Amino acid sequence: EPEVTQTPSHQVTQMGQEVILRCVPISNHLYFYWYRQILGQKVEFLVSFYNNEISEKSEIFDDQFSVERPDGSNFTLKIRSTKLEDSAMYFCASSDRGRGYTFGSGTRLTVV
Amino acid sequence: GNSVTQMEGPVTLSEEAFLTINCTYTATGYPSLFWYVQYPGEGLQLLLKATKADDKGSNKGFEATYRKETTSFHLEKGSVQVSDSAVYFCALSDPRGGADGLTFGKGTHLIIQP
Repeated sequence: EPEVTQTPSHQVTQMGQEVILRCVPISNHLYFYWYRQILGQKVEFLVSFYNNEISEKSEIFDDQFSVERPDGSNFTLKIRSTKLEDSAMYFCASSDRGRGYTFGSGTRLTVV
Repeated sequence: GNSVTQMEGPVTLSEEAFLTINCTYTATGYPSLFWYVQYPGEGLQLLLKATKADDKGSNKGFEATYRKETTSFHLEKGSVQVSDSAVYFCALSDPRGGADGLTFGKGTHLIIQP
């Protein structure tokens, strides 16, 4: 069964550093997403991406965040200057028009 | 806007007990509805889904029926196992489909004791 692949599985970074979280969505999906789950809390939508541009973003997705599809397969989330409160599990997902979402296994980001 | 409300946990049951986790939603139109499961230390896995009213999603002994009249999508299982211990998330997708992401409930932590 097709999978969404995320790397790395764990990332530890110092406050103020930039991080890039990487995702390889399912190849024939058109919509890509990032979600965040702070430990013990609910999963929160960050951003969706379609046709090489951001389609929707939440209030969480401020100027510190950016997304990019640098080639035909990767989808990245960049956090420019990490804060302690950015520590969370970040999930990538892709879908075929919003009916069949597939999530990756997540990247656990720890900001120290 | 869209919202999902599910029962607070943790829910603790004995093995072979009957399980119900309540989920209600608010959305305009007809969203698709999902249950995701998160096992300890792992990511989100789709458990089941329903895309229109009166549809029943089922998987691994779990079932949920899309009830438009009560805007609900309650998760049920007739006989739970210890291996079902996990966090369960109810979610909906925007009825317009496409780019909008999923709206999740807060999750219900299920603990099954032997």
